[in-house]
Amino acid sequence: DGGITQSPKYLFRKEGQNVTLSCEQNLNHDAMYWYRQDPGQGLRLIYYSQIVNDFQKGDIAEGYSVSREKKESFPLTVTSAQKNPTAFYLCASESRTGTEQYFGPGTRLTVT
Amino acid sequence: GENVEQHPSTLSVQEGDSAVIKCTYSDSASNYFPWYKQELGKRPQLIIDIRSNVGEKKDQRIAVTLNKTAKHFSLHITETQPEDSAVYFCAASNSYAGGTSYGKLTFGQGTILTVHP
Repeated sequence: DGGITQSPKYLFRKEGQNVTLSCEQNLNHDAMYWYRQDPGQGLRLIYYSQIVNDFQKGDIAEGYSVSREKKESFPLTVTSAQKNPTAFYLCASESRTGTEQYFGPGTRLTVT
Repeated sequence: GENVEQHPSTLSVQEGDSAVIKCTYSDSASNYFPWYKQELGKRPQLIIDIRSNVGEKKDQRIAVTLNKTAKHFSLHITETQPEDSAVYFCAASNSYAGGTSYGKLTFGQGTILTVHP
């Protein structure tokens, strides 16, 4: 289903807990991206990585952390420092020679 | 950094009518402008894009126009159908080079399009 997967689809956590969202792709894409989607605010970039072992902050990186130890994987950790973590999180990947970011199915995180 | 504004936030049309969604951007260096469609509960998917060296691009019922001077671009959907109902996002990037747009995108806020049968 598109070669990029996110798990789980729904995630529930208590306030103060860190949580890690998974993103895996088998498209051999170099770049991977994490976005947050809130109603009325579109997609906002959290972090992105264009090469293994390297990543850059996006527009709303505070309270989040990532790693890129393998080309196929780009996990996102939502830390307790993120003030409003409840949101829909989308991962995307892109080929260096392509012209399109491919999105995963998303993870809906609810923190109470 | 780049800022993309998208209007309207909601758009309701009758089947067969045309729909137009407009976006403005702030960075004059932006050179790649994709449009994504997100159906309810599904992932965003690219439907059309335009580079800054082109003023208009058409793909069947969908067209995009770009005005670099005014820094705005628009999505036009003709003969709308109920299956066009979705959220549409515009985006901008300054990464287009050598035939690829590899790089970060800045998205607009999205437009909820509803096509009534």
